[in-house]
Amino acid sequence: DTAVSQTPKYLVTQMGNDKSIKCEQNLGHDTMYWYKQDSKKFLKIMFSYNNKELIINETVPNRFSPKSPDKAHLNLHINSLELGDSAVYFCASSQLQGAYGYTFGSGTRLTVV
Amino acid sequence: AQSVSQHNHHVILSEAASLELGCNYSYGGTVNLFWYVQYPGQHLQLLLKYFSGDPLVKGIKGFEAEFIKSKFSFNLRKPSVQWSDTAEYFCAVNAYSSASKIIFGSGTRLSIRP
Repeated sequence: DTAVSQTPKYLVTQMGNDKSIKCEQNLGHDTMYWYKQDSKKFLKIMFSYNNKELIINETVPNRFSPKSPDKAHLNLHINSLELGDSAVYFCASSQLQGAYGYTFGSGTRLTVV
Repeated sequence: AQSVSQHNHHVILSEAASLELGCNYSYGGTVNLFWYVQYPGQHLQLLLKYFSGDPLVKGIKGFEAEFIKSKFSFNLRKPSVQWSDTAEYFCAVNAYSSASKIIFGSGTRLSIRP
């Protein structure tokens, strides 16, 4: 069983479209995250939810909206996609708010054309 | 603000060479430290972690790292690399006072010549 699963794995879409990425973890962790990895491999945190409550909201355009229906799921919705949104988006989960490290999903490669 | 520095952007070694990748962090309080590896086209996987105790920690695939508190460093080492170690390596820090997030370094790309 995959511990942290993301769908889709690849997403190619046109500028201006709205898209969603889904993430689910079956580890019983209490905290979930979205990270963005750019073309230079730099990893930047976007959002974090602890038990369905938003606890980290970094400087991210408000076109990005996370939603956590329960502590096992964290989805990311992106409105009005722009070329600069092209990146790999990683979902991760942890226990005790990251103190012991994260378990990452396999990533979603988003390409905006 | 916390930060993590990995000074080596790209390291190229031959098989069987020894490896040391540098990592320094800036935070004066208690930290948990991690090294993650990302093989080409894959997600990040935990190599090893330090929480407390023995500053020399051993991880998977023959990797180890040493925490030197006075130098704010957590360098990754491997005595003899293999071609399969070709990957991106990320050092990361979780500071006890931070709001539940791990800060990642910019990564070091390791290329191994067969």
